[in-house]
Amino acid sequence: GAGVSQSPRYKVTKRGQDVALRCDPISGHVSLYWYRQALGQGPEFLTYFNYEAQQDKSGLPNDRFSAERPEGSISTLTIQRTEQRDSAMYRCASSRVAGAREKLFFGSGTQLSVL
Amino acid sequence: AQSVTQLDSHVSVSEGTPVLLRCNYSSSYSPSLFWYVQHPNKGLQLLLKYTSAATLVKGINGFEAEFKKSETSFHLTKPSAHMSDAAEYFCVVSGTYKYIFGTGTRLKVLA
Repeated sequence: GAGVSQSPRYKVTKRGQDVALRCDPISGHVSLYWYRQALGQGPEFLTYFNYEAQQDKSGLPNDRFSAERPEGSISTLTIQRTEQRDSAMYRCASSRVAGAREKLFFGSGTQLSVL
Repeated sequence: AQSVTQLDSHVSVSEGTPVLLRCNYSSSYSPSLFWYVQHPNKGLQLLLKYTSAATLVKGINGFEAEFKKSETSFHLTKPSAHMSDAAEYFCVVSGTYKYIFGTGTRLKVLA
């Protein structure tokens, strides 16, 4: 696609429910990142994929959070048994190749609200 | 390990006056450094990046930043602020594949 697409744009859920957030990166982009951004804060690293391999999940807060990218394209971030503290903007980014010098292309994000 | 510190959470300038947004970094590797901008209700957009070439980097919309290794700084400047520059700005450091964002500086431009 033309840009990084995230869905849904907004998600309101009740505490204890599971949610799945989707990211469709730019076609052909090798690397995919998930970030979480609380209000008034900078994006916080969650996890990183190189093709389908999850190479770093050190930023996932706890085992309720998981992510996958089974075919090296679309990725899903799943939060099980949501809690109010999970409320935030979840952002996905992709880059053309792996490495430290690349431009990240960000999606518009999914605003998650846990009631 | 890498980290980045944005020294000011808010900066206010008058339209037509210079802009200075400060950023200090720490990195175990030879770092790559970036500035991203986020306008209200918009996504994050790359302004400029430093990747070990010229230490003075020019970006979009008249912004530039200078990499100073001795000071571990990468401050963002613009000679003359425009109303459309009002946004949140993030300094980012990367040493490998992980991009670490600062907490952001909100720039306000006064008419």
